[in-house]
Amino acid sequence: GDSVTQMEGPVTLSEEAFLTINCTYTATGYPSLFWYVQYPGEGLQLLLKATKADDKGSNKGFEATYRKETTSFHLEKGSVQVSDSAVYFCALNRGSYIPTFGRGTSLIVHP
Amino acid sequence: DAMVIQNPRYQVTQFGKPVTLSCSQTLNHNVMYWYQQKSSQAPKLLFHYYDKDFNNEADTPDNFQSRRPNTSFCFLDIRSPGLGDAAMYLCATSRGGVGQGSRPEAFFGQGTRLTVV
Repeated sequence: GDSVTQMEGPVTLSEEAFLTINCTYTATGYPSLFWYVQYPGEGLQLLLKATKADDKGSNKGFEATYRKETTSFHLEKGSVQVSDSAVYFCALNRGSYIPTFGRGTSLIVHP
Repeated sequence: DAMVIQNPRYQVTQFGKPVTLSCSQTLNHNVMYWYQQKSSQAPKLLFHYYDKDFNNEADTPDNFQSRRPNTSFCFLDIRSPGLGDAAMYLCATSRGGVGQGSRPEAFFGQGTRLTVV
């Protein structure tokens, strides 16, 4: 079945550091890929998405590129802020309208 | 703004006392989901409605039930809450079946934090 694997957290960074959170997936066909962010005590919000190979999703300084050859969708940001501290979930949707989520990666950014 | 609204944000219930969580949406999406999320874990799908059709996940306990009286509203009923049911409950919506190759994102409410005492 479909699955999403994310790097273990927490990821702890200093403000203005470069961020990478790895995400790989297993799915047949051509899924859409998503990153959701969950701030403390809140629901999940869509951060960015990509619907086909080589697409780059971007939002709020975050980027992720759909790499079909490596089945990856790594999240990156050039300079993180304290306000980026949250849990980040990678997800896919292969057309069954029900998303498959990874386990989430906690990001902690120190001033 | 169109959105998914969950009420209440925080709910405290007694062990074994039935409790209902509410979700409403203004997105006019035909699919609504209920997820359970425990600390530091991914959301776990309990069940979903595709239009009026109810779809239960195989491992969802019988203690959890749901109602969807119309497109906009969906309720999660926990018949006899146990201590292990304390969690964040997330409602989400999406558009299903809008076209070949459609893979829509899900829109989430802010969640209801359930405490069982």
